[in-house]
Amino acid sequence: AQSVTQLDSQVPVFEEAPVELRCNYSSSVSVYLFWYVQYPNQGLQLLLKYLSGSTLVKGINGFEAEFNKSQTSFHLRKPSVHISDTAEYFCAVSFSGAGSYQLTFGKGTKLSVIP
Amino acid sequence: GAVVSQHPSWVICKSGTSVKIECRSLDFQATTMFWYRQFPKQSLMLMATSNEGSKATYEQGVEKDKFLINHASLTLSTLTVTSAHPEDSSFYICSARRDSSTEAFFGQGTRLTVV
Repeated sequence: AQSVTQLDSQVPVFEEAPVELRCNYSSSVSVYLFWYVQYPNQGLQLLLKYLSGSTLVKGINGFEAEFNKSQTSFHLRKPSVHISDTAEYFCAVSFSGAGSYQLTFGKGTKLSVIP
Repeated sequence: GAVVSQHPSWVICKSGTSVKIECRSLDFQATTMFWYRQFPKQSLMLMATSNEGSKATYEQGVEKDKFLINHASLTLSTLTVTSAHPEDSSFYICSARRDSSTEAFFGQGTRLTVV
């Protein structure tokens, strides 16, 4: 069975400080990895994705993530956060070869940026 | 491009009535659509996967007769919550995938409150 673990349910950070949101997955097959952001009472917006190639992936809003196959991790980072980054962040994985590309989500990390 | 519109964004209904939620892909043809349920402060749980023109595939524990899913066209899928009860109150989110894409695009979500 495949699973996604987001180790931190809440991460408070001061404005302009760096942040890292952690994500680990377990799978016996190759995966595609995603980070989504969700603002209150809204759907999900894709921040970035890893499909193949370079393990460092850059996304929107200044976020980036690095795929580490040996550690089965896909941590999300931003060097300097803004108030507007306050939201819920979900790591998700789909498994290459899965016909419908179903996503399995982590439980989410609530990022709170403190002014 | 790749916009998914979900309607309504919120709905309040009486216990025992049925509610229909629509999910439309506005600028692409969605061969596969997914329906998720999200409880407060929790992650998204996949309810079912639907492919255009065929019956939906429900996840274990999801009642097919209660959550009716129809994917009659390549741009529209509907979720009908039949005989709704207060415990069905939740945030429902759809996503749509087009052929040859590994990315799914999400609707804005529907907040259902059953009173």
